[in-house]
Amino acid sequence: DTGVSQNPRHKITKRGQNVTFRCDPISEHNRLYWYRQTLGQGPEFLTYFQNEAQLEKSRLLSDRFSAERPKGSFSTLEIQRTEQGDSAMYLCASSGIWGDSRYGYTFGSGTRLTVV
Amino acid sequence: AQTVTQSQPEMSVQEAETVTLSCTYDTSESDYYLFWYKQPPSRQMILVIRQEAYKQQNATENRFSVNFQKAAKSFSLKISDSQLGDAAMYFCAYRRAGAKAAGNKLTFGGGTRVLVKP
Repeated sequence: DTGVSQNPRHKITKRGQNVTFRCDPISEHNRLYWYRQTLGQGPEFLTYFQNEAQLEKSRLLSDRFSAERPKGSFSTLEIQRTEQGDSAMYLCASSGIWGDSRYGYTFGSGTRLTVV
Repeated sequence: AQTVTQSQPEMSVQEAETVTLSCTYDTSESDYYLFWYKQPPSRQMILVIRQEAYKQQNATENRFSVNFQKAAKSFSLKISDSQLGDAAMYFCAYRRAGAKAAGNKLTFGGGTRVLVKP
């Protein structure tokens, strides 16, 4: 068990470009979450998967955002036509089906996106 | 909608002393979980302590303890014998209980930065 892995750690992109982030959850966890954290703020929920099914999406997730979790393993989060307001840390977390184990959710180290 | 408020943007504590972080939340639910997470600079968020709303006894984990006041919707974190490694952002978080789809996400407060002075 190597924890939740996110790649890349940092991404700098020009406004208008598309970016894709990847999250590899803990292998036995069937629930996967994406959060966005802007500087000095708490994380905000974006979306969540149970296995390959995307069960909830926040209103924060505009049409430019899309997330997938093929085969219920890793997940990708794509942002199309990036805007400066998309600059943030994107966090991934995973949990077992109850999500309330002693260790709570396991978070990855995040992908920091900077749009210039 | 549930909201979580942390009114202290930053707290400073002398090494070996005690510091208390405040958190209030708003919910109409009766069954839920509350958490404190620690986020060191440039490192991943880790769970510090959690509390089930149906439990009256306050949770403790080594030097970390909570004061859970359900009626007041208050959930403070006390860090005793503060160590340099405790310096980090601390986030209070709420989650509805149950395994239903809408019940599992975490709602976070804005965070409190803890500075530990040697």
